[in-house]
Amino acid sequence: AAGVIQSPRHLIKEKRETATLKCYPIPRHDTVYWYQQGPGQDPQFLISFYEKMQSDKGSIPDRFSAQQFSDYHSELNMSSLELGDSALYFCASSPSRGLAGASGANVLTFGAGSRLTVL
Amino acid sequence: AQRVTQPEKLLSVFKGAPVELKCNYSYSGSPELFWYVQYSRQRLQLLLRHISRESIKGFTADLNKGETSFHLKKPFAQEEDSAMYYCALQNTGGFKTIFGAGTRLFVKA
Repeated sequence: AAGVIQSPRHLIKEKRETATLKCYPIPRHDTVYWYQQGPGQDPQFLISFYEKMQSDKGSIPDRFSAQQFSDYHSELNMSSLELGDSALYFCASSPSRGLAGASGANVLTFGAGSRLTVL
Repeated sequence: AQRVTQPEKLLSVFKGAPVELKCNYSYSGSPELFWYVQYSRQRLQLLLRHISRESIKGFTADLNKGETSFHLKKPFAQEEDSAMYYCALQNTGGFKTIFGAGTRLFVKA
């Protein structure tokens, strides 16, 4: 079965450059979450989208923006990159609340992550 | 504010020994608690959730609202249980799941 797909898997950028990460959720999953995991750290919640609208926001820098498109895929745009942005960026999706119910919708399925290195 | 605390970064036990991974949380509402696991070179995946009240791979976790804890337990650890374990809390309404710092479990032969 198709899982959550993230691209690219690895990305190397220079300081002050821009990066875009993409996430394709599992079919019929309408909620997407983004997490940032620095070396040796726990996954930090950045932002989530439900039905193409931002649903919750965490510790996402103002230099970052994200959106969810009509096909439910999501993109995380990062500008003016800093060395501290080097991390593993995870995307997760959860099923449609209409099909899974409120409780079933709370289970996250994660992608393999995109590793961003800023030089 | 939501917070999940896993006090142990590393837990090392012998095969066949009992294991308990601690998790404490703080949240003003009625949270949903999860344990996620990441095996070597694999994705983070759900292990179990408190509302299911089920045992997965021999692991159980009971939500103790009085102590605000959701400790993960297994009576007899196996080598294949070696992995990174994250306790997670989802807020009421469910669009934000926060994770603890994780505990690396190492089961020795």
